[in-house]
Amino acid sequence: GAVVSQHPSWVICKSGTSVKIECRSLDFQATTMFWYRQFPKQSLMLMATSNEGSKATYEQGVEKDKFLINHASLTLSTLTVTSAHPEDSSFYICSAIQGAQKETQYFGPGTRLLVL
Amino acid sequence: GENVEQHPSTLSVQEGDSAVIKCTYSDSASNYFPWYKQELGKRPQLIIDIRSNVGEKKDQRIAVTLNKTAKHFSLHITETQPEDSAVYFCAAGFQKLVFGTGTRLLVSP
Repeated sequence: GAVVSQHPSWVICKSGTSVKIECRSLDFQATTMFWYRQFPKQSLMLMATSNEGSKATYEQGVEKDKFLINHASLTLSTLTVTSAHPEDSSFYICSAIQGAQKETQYFGPGTRLLVL
Repeated sequence: GENVEQHPSTLSVQEGDSAVIKCTYSDSASNYFPWYKQELGKRPQLIIDIRSNVGEKKDQRIAVTLNKTAKHFSLHITETQPEDSAVYFCAAGFQKLVFGTGTRLLVSP
């Protein structure tokens, strides 16, 4: 149980285009989802916390107008990188928590984004 | 906010030896401390976690200890095997986690 999927697994796009990444909890309802960014050989940096039906909470330094997060249902959160630039190239990983009183984060497989 | 420091950044051991990775945290409100293993290009996988009301937890070859007073916690891997080679991350928080910088563990046969 507690499986999280992400789609796509990798994407290459041209500078200036927008890219949407989906994060799904397959066998549980996720009250909270998190979006992380990980650069090569670095740690996971939290970008935002996403709660179903409400606006995402962004970490300091993360542009909310550039990284649009929508958590429309208890099993789906999306991250849209708008007007992507080469410096946005990274590994984006989502995670989900199974309930309001739970702590364990289950991670998706990640999406590798390359902006040319 | 929370700040998590992790040491060492790299650790090389011989197969069968023990490995210890240490982390410190700053926020006394943190009450959940998971450890994740990440292989190259893959998702982080939870290997063990501990909550603030427990001082030690063990699962086969893996153990975690927590010292709330000193605000530090450690991961212990005994009888290491080559397949233990990966990057290990500690984290601290409650639902929202702050991750350490990672430890690259290399187990040589």
